[in-house]
Amino acid sequence: DTGVSQDPRHKITKRGQNVTFRCDPISEHNRLYWYRQTLGQGPEFLTYFQNEAQLEKSRLLSDRFSAERPKGSFSTLEIQRTEQGDSAMYLCASVVWEGPGELFFGEGSRLTVL
Amino acid sequence: GESVGLHLPTLSVQEGDNSIINCAYSNSASDYFIWYKQESGKGPQFIIDIRSNMDKRQGQRVTVLLNKTVKHLSLQIAATQPGDSAVYFCAENYNTDKLIFGTGTRLQVFP
Repeated sequence: DTGVSQDPRHKITKRGQNVTFRCDPISEHNRLYWYRQTLGQGPEFLTYFQNEAQLEKSRLLSDRFSAERPKGSFSTLEIQRTEQGDSAMYLCASVVWEGPGELFFGEGSRLTVL
Repeated sequence: GESVGLHLPTLSVQEGDNSIINCAYSNSASDYFIWYKQESGKGPQFIIDIRSNMDKRQGQRVTVLLNKTVKHLSLQIAATQPGDSAVYFCAENYNTDKLIFGTGTRLQVFP
């Protein structure tokens, strides 16, 4: 499978716990995006990386959220002190950036905070 | 239509009919538009895209129409099949490096 891979696919946690999601983009894709999607809504942009550099962060990304892409390949999204409002699907997408175009999405990591 | 929480606009069509899903975008400076299909529990899948210098683009069984005058995008699906049942999202890009997604439309295909 050469698509975008996300892990875990499902995570149930108690409020106040920390969680980390991993995204493995398509090989050679230099850009990697994180989106959040709540039930019935379209994906909302969180942040993106060009290689290992984090170039933009949404105001949605509170200080409890941190994302890294240390070697310009896989990325992690960590949520500290989770709240019930963090329950959502976290989507990762990647692309070889040549200007606006299709983003290739993974299957997402669904987070449920109890 | 406008969706609130779980109440996505829904389009119900009979198998074999043509479907038209509409989308109003927000920024007149947007230069790129894209439609994604999302099945339950899965990530969005690319359907078709169009740049602002075009007003129509056709794919296999799908056509995207762009009306910049009224900031409107539509997705036409010919001979709709049960496998087309999903939520469809339009997204736009305007002078940024990210896609901004609209509210989805649920397509239900019945026999």
